[in-house]
Formats: sequence, C-alpha cells, structure tokens
Amino acid sequence: GAGVSQSPSNKVTEKGKDVELRCDPISGHTALYWYRQSLGQGLEFLIYFQGNSAPDKSGLPSDRFSAERTGGSVSTLTIQRTQQEDSAVYLCASSLEWGGETQYFGPGTRLLVL
Amino acid sequence: GENVEQHPSTLSVQEGDSAVIKCTYSDSASNYFPWYKQELGKGPQLIIDIRSNVGEKKDQRIAVTLNKTAKHFSLHITETQPEDSAVYFCAASVRGSQGNLIFGKGTKLSVKP
Repeated sequence: GAGVSQSPSNKVTEKGKDVELRCDPISGHTALYWYRQSLGQGLEFLIYFQGNSAPDKSGLPSDRFSAERTGGSVSTLTIQRTQQEDSAVYLCASSLEWGGETQYFGPGTRLLVL
Repeated sequence: GENVEQHPSTLSVQEGDSAVIKCTYSDSASNYFPWYKQELGKGPQLIIDIRSNVGEKKDQRIAVTLNKTAKHFSLHITETQPEDSAVYFCAASVRGSQGNLIFGKGTKLSVKP
C-alpha cells in the first residue's frame, strides 16, 4: 500500500521567507511525527501528533517552527522567517498507534535556505 | 532524557564479511529499539526492531541483540553484500509514552565488492 508521502521533495528559499512542508501519513495511522536531519547528523525529534490530542511541541527548536494536523491526517510543518541553520532534511513518520509502535518514514523534504 | 550513542561512525568491510554496529542508551525505561537503514536521498527504512522482553532477534542475514543490564544493543549483518551499503541508525524509545524515537548519529557502512 501507499507509504508516507512528503512534499515538496526539495525546497530552496531565501533567508527570512516562510516555508510550508507537507506530510501525508499512511492511511489509518493515528500518530504522526516530524524529525529534522542536519547534514551528517542523526535525526532530531521536533513534534508529534496523536489523533486529535494537542501535539507535543517539546522538540521544536524555536517559536519560528509550528505544525498542525488537519482532520487527524495531513500535517503541515511551517517555518517562519527561515534562517540558514534551518537548512536540513525534514522527515515525517507515522505509526499505527501512539507509544513506541513501529514508525514508517517518508522520503523527506530537503530544505536549503540561502 | 534519553541519550543514544552509536559506534562506529564509519565501517568498511569486504563483501561476504560480517558487520557489527553497537549502540548504548542511557534511560533504563527505554524498551523499544529499532534499526533503520537510510540510502542516499531516501528516508530511513526500518530493517529490524527488538523489544526489551527479548534478548535476540534474527531476520535472514540481520540480527539484533539486546543487553538490558549493560544498556546496549547491537546490529549484526552477516554475508554482507554491496547493496547493504548505506547509513544505519539505531534508536530507542519508551513504549507506552509518547514514543518519539531518540536516534544515534548513524554508521556509514561501505561494502566493497
């Protein structure tokens, strides 16, 4: 079946602009996670959603980052006033349930801030 | 919070040899340990996982071992093939909590034909 999809696959933007990254989780998965992968680094947790509950934003690096999940499905990660240090691969994952279940990752969005 | 350390950062082996990647974790409450393989330009793909009630798990050429007392777990790949070349990440999480994975920094495995 269809896996996690993300769009765009690549995004180049200028410093100070806002960007929106989209994630479509696997159908029926209630938990959705955003991670960030900087060049040569591991994956850093950003935020997660479980069903219609309030998201856990504990991993967001600054208040320029926000995310929403509409209708318990599609999620959008927004970065306002982008900085060069925001350049990274942004990965989305979903799992059937909350709490340690297998997470399936999308291909990621490669963001470059000039 | 949880901290996961992974070694080595790079590993080069000859085709047919075995490869071993080791990870340690700090939070004794962690009870779920997946391994992901990431090829260039792609997202991480789960290759095997283990839960804390199991000491070892095997799937064809891939095996994972877990030592809860020492808080470390390892990935073993036997009979390596060039297509095994990729970056491998270990991770840990506490099942029953929010479940977000804490990742190691990755191991770049190169299998030389």
